[in-house]
Amino acid sequence: GAGVSQSPRYKVAKRGQDVALRCDPISGHVSLFWYQQALGQGPEFLTYFQNEAQLDKSGLPSDRFFAERPEGSVSTLKIQRTQQEDSAVYLCASSAFRGRHGYTFGSGTRLTVV
Amino acid sequence: GIQVEQSPPDLILQEGANSTLRCNFSDSVNNLQWFHQNPWGQLINLFYIPSGTKQNGRLSATTVATERYSLLYISSSQTTDSGVYFCAVEVFKGGSEKLVFGKGTKLTVNP
Repeated sequence: GAGVSQSPRYKVAKRGQDVALRCDPISGHVSLFWYQQALGQGPEFLTYFQNEAQLDKSGLPSDRFFAERPEGSVSTLKIQRTQQEDSAVYLCASSAFRGRHGYTFGSGTRLTVV
Repeated sequence: GIQVEQSPPDLILQEGANSTLRCNFSDSVNNLQWFHQNPWGQLINLFYIPSGTKQNGRLSATTVATERYSLLYISSSQTTDSGVYFCAVEVFKGGSEKLVFGKGTKLTVNP
């Protein structure tokens, strides 16, 4: 597609529930990123994929967070046993290799844990 | 890690006014990007500007990489310019790449 597509747009989860967030990057983009944006803050890096390889997961806040990109295109961010502090907007971005021509972000998924 | 600081944190303007937003970064970077986050949360790429000056309509940006800062100029502001402006620096380390964001400048343009 023409842009980065994320779904669902909004997700309300009960504490302890597992959630899965989907990202469809721009076709042909090698690099894919997940960011977490808390209210009133800038986005913070979670993880980076180059094609299907997860090269950096240093930003994942706990082992309850897991991301995958099995075929080098669509990616899923999974959060297990959600906690209230997981409430945030989760942004996906993609770019051609090494950020050439910049990064394109999706509209994000707003996760609220109640 | 690299630090990115933006100023001012908040800015209120009357329609038609000009403004300058600043981004300082603590270390040399590969590239820098300016984004506008609209009230619906969408991050829109404004400029990809590792150095030099670029202009796009009423917006322009200048990055002086040797002095570790970038400026975003908004001229003749409009209410639709309201939102949060982020700068983000691109960091390559080992096999990884990522953007490190500042905390943003929240701009409100009043009619």
